[in-house]
Amino acid sequence: GIQVEQSPPDLILQEGANSTLRCNFSDSVNNLQWFHQNPWGQLINLFYIPSGTKQNGRLSATTVATERYSLLYISSSQTTDSGVYFCAVEPNYGQNFVFGPGTRLSVLP
Amino acid sequence: DAMVIQNPRYQVTQFGKPVTLSCSQTLNHNVMYWYQQKSSQAPKLLFHYYDKDFNNEADTPDNFQSRRPNTSFCFLDIRSPGLGDAAMYLCATSLSRVAGVFADTQYFGPGTRLTVL
Repeated sequence: GIQVEQSPPDLILQEGANSTLRCNFSDSVNNLQWFHQNPWGQLINLFYIPSGTKQNGRLSATTVATERYSLLYISSSQTTDSGVYFCAVEPNYGQNFVFGPGTRLSVLP
Repeated sequence: DAMVIQNPRYQVTQFGKPVTLSCSQTLNHNVMYWYQQKSSQAPKLLFHYYDKDFNNEADTPDNFQSRRPNTSFCFLDIRSPGLGDAAMYLCATSLSRVAGVFADTQYFGPGTRLTVL
C-alpha cells in the first residue's frame, strides 16, 4: 500500500516563529488533507489540497502532486498551534484514507 | 451548528464485555467513517459507510462491527474487547464520493476514549 512520511517528527518553536512541515507519499493520490489534532484529541481539518496552493490566515499549504509531496506552512506561530499535524491521503488505486505518522509541534510562550 | 457528535466521550468496559460507541451527525453527509487511534499513533481507518453501503478495511478484526440505521447515526460495536482495543475511537463524515473516490473534506467528531479493564 501507499507509504506516507512526515517530517520532522517533532518540532519545538518559540512563539512568533515560522515553520514548514512536510508530507511525502509514495503513489499518486486523489485526495490529500492536512489535519491538526489538538491536545484534547480533536482533529480539525485544515486543508483539502490534492494539488496547488491554499491559504487560510497564518496557515498555507502547497501540494506538488507530480513530485508526491505536500508542505504546510505556519507563520507567526502561537501557543494554540501546539498539537500534532497529520497529513492523510487517498491513493488513486482505491485504498481508503491513510494517515501519515504526524509531526508533533510545541510552541513555547 | 452542524457537527459530528460522539457519545460517550469516555467509556470504560471490562475485558470481554461488549461495548457500543455512538456517532451522530447533523451535516447530512453520505459517508461516515470509524477510525481507531492508539496512543501516539496516527488514526487508522476501520470501516466506512457510503449511505447504507458498508466497506470494511481488509485488516479490521472481526471483533469490530458497525451499524448505520439511518443517515444521521452510526454505531461501532466491539463484541469482545481485549486490552489491545483500548484506544481513542474517532468518527468522521464527508459529503459524498465522486467517481468512486473520496474527493471531499472529512469532518471529525471529538472521539470516544475507550478503556478496557
